[in-house]
Amino acid sequence: DTEVTQTPKHLVMGMTNKKSLKCEQHMGHRAMYWYKQKAKKPPELMFVYSYEKLSINESVPSRFSPECPNSSLLNLHLHALQPEDSALYLCASSQGFGGSSGNTIYFGEGSWLTVV
Amino acid sequence: ILNVEQSPQSLHVQEGDSTNFTCSFPSSNFYALHWYRWETAKSPEALFVMTLNGDEKKKGRISATLNTKEGYSYLYIKGSQPEDSATYLCAFRADAGKSTFGDGTTLTVKP
Repeated sequence: DTEVTQTPKHLVMGMTNKKSLKCEQHMGHRAMYWYKQKAKKPPELMFVYSYEKLSINESVPSRFSPECPNSSLLNLHLHALQPEDSALYLCASSQGFGGSSGNTIYFGEGSWLTVV
Repeated sequence: ILNVEQSPQSLHVQEGDSTNFTCSFPSSNFYALHWYRWETAKSPEALFVMTLNGDEKKKGRISATLNTKEGYSYLYIKGSQPEDSATYLCAFRADAGKSTFGDGTTLTVKP
């Protein structure tokens, strides 16, 4: 099973709403990632969790709040978003993070977020 | 800020043509170079991970080479097929584990 599962696939939310994106993997990977992808641009890293601890926050606004309840799950809590936050949010995982190993990143299919 | 560049930005070839494109990256602090294939409306699919200078990897008709000293990797597709149409992304990983993606090369193979 080389699958990273994301829900929901599509989300429309108002600027005052609170919603969450969810991500799950059962590959035993210890690193999980959130990326943001705007149309025709490569993925931009937002957060990295390694062994359930936040390792990297790429200066993401606090209206995005990640959470890693356990090694298989990664959430992204959304609150008071702006229309410009509309994008594809990709979750990914890899065996580890850092070090000299290759650590291929496996991506989920993404959650399309529209903020109205 | 790490500069990872891919060229060309887009490529249109006829079915059966062989093609190649380039990923350029910093030659210092190299840990790994990843190639991904990204079809519209799907998630990126890992093709290769390359870690050693001189690495050559092959998967079917697709192969890749790596030169870490000069900071480039080539991806080759032999006998392109319409199903090869996709965006090919490279991602450079330096120390600290972060991957920086290039902007991708979008390949269109016409029947």
